[in-house]
Amino acid sequence: DAKTTQPNSMESNEEEPVHLPCNHSTISGTDYIHWYRQLPSQGPEYVIHGLTSNVNNRMASLAIAEDRKSSTLILHRATLRDAAVYYCILRWGNEKLTFGTGTRLTIIP
Amino acid sequence: ETGVTQTPRHLVMGMTNKKSLKCEQHLGHNAMYWYKQSAKKPLELMFVYNFKEQTENNSVPSRFSPECPNSSHLFLHLHTLQPEDSALYLCASSQASRQGVPEAFFGQGTRLTVV
Repeated sequence: DAKTTQPNSMESNEEEPVHLPCNHSTISGTDYIHWYRQLPSQGPEYVIHGLTSNVNNRMASLAIAEDRKSSTLILHRATLRDAAVYYCILRWGNEKLTFGTGTRLTIIP
Repeated sequence: ETGVTQTPRHLVMGMTNKKSLKCEQHLGHNAMYWYKQSAKKPLELMFVYNFKEQTENNSVPSRFSPECPNSSHLFLHLHTLQPEDSALYLCASSQASRQGVPEAFFGQGTRLTVV
């Protein structure tokens, strides 16, 4: 399985943008880049996914490098409710999701 | 609410007990999963079911026995567990689609404590 590398933890001030990086240098051409997050005491929830082009939805934006070897999840204006562990996952089709350790995001009021 | 419901939310059981965890989804999904999340560890995939058939068993001990009677329900039967089996057990579902890559929906999990 292609692997991803994320920082263990990050901090950000409330109401400021947050950029969460992910490296995936061994990504294959058919792998989609998925982001999930897990709030305290809850199951993971889907955030966004993309293949080659940048993607936007109501929760976040996903910026994908031209060579697809890295990506960045962008939260445009962090709130306290965005404090969670964020997982960057490579996935093809309907195959299983394999979680790493993710990035623990702390929001400072 | 994700559309995936797990019961019970909390469970305390002795090592000689038999109990079952239940997962239910009415999203029309055709794939269901059991994950285990131990303290300070990544989520570990345990079992995968596609169209009610088990397609993956990730070297899970036989004291964990999954059952998928239909595409909407998934059970995890537990017997003679060990204290190290204490963890958050998460169920997820997804739907293969011709139009794109499906996201998975997770339940809130069952917090299991083995005493």
